[in-house]
Amino acid sequence: DIQMNQSPSSLSASLGDTITITCHASQNINVWLSWYQQKPGNIPKLLIYKASNLHTGVPSRFSGSGSGTGFTLTISSLQPEDIATYYCQQGQSYPLTFGAGTKLELK
Amino acid sequence: QIQLVQSGPELKKPGETVKISCKASGYTFTDYSMHWVKQAPGKGLKWMGWINTETGEPTYADDFKGRFAFSLETSASTAYLQINNLKNEDTATYFCGRDANYWYFDVWGAGTTVTVSS
Repeated sequence: DIQMNQSPSSLSASLGDTITITCHASQNINVWLSWYQQKPGNIPKLLIYKASNLHTGVPSRFSGSGSGTGFTLTISSLQPEDIATYYCQQGQSYPLTFGAGTKLELK
Repeated sequence: QIQLVQSGPELKKPGETVKISCKASGYTFTDYSMHWVKQAPGKGLKWMGWINTETGEPTYADDFKGRFAFSLETSASTAYLQINNLKNEDTATYFCGRDANYWYFDVWGAGTTVTVSS
């Protein structure tokens, strides 16, 4: 199975900050990496697919990059509505696997 | 609009069976595969497997082989997850998710919470 190592597990930031979350795959997943946002008590929402493609309706302050084994999710100018847990997910091979999540909190 | 509507919460006893539904609307059901994802209380997301909505063929992750079954009612644009012989560790929220055809999920159901307790 492909392991997805996501860091940090939690992050405290201020409004307006730029934050970066990383995801490292245990083997090459090319660009088959997606990012999801889950707010407390809510469903996961797709942010980024194929490593760097912004899903429809997602604000442009979200961006993704990377290929192979290393990936990043960047949020520029943090907004209050961005407080959530973020997950990466690989789609290279079965079983599909998620990172353990990064809980983003306000400082 | 495109949406997945899941059935309501379930309270079950150990050993019982539960069947959760996920009804799709706003798109052609058979054009997109359906996945199931488990989220235990306070935990992360775990992929359970998927079902090919054209052929009905299911694929299960190793941890979900045996007691779990995916099925379809194509005429009703509905996917089902059945869990047999429920255990306490099955207590979780179960999400259905539409595969955008590249092994990621662009539409999610609201989740169905299953509580297993004697």
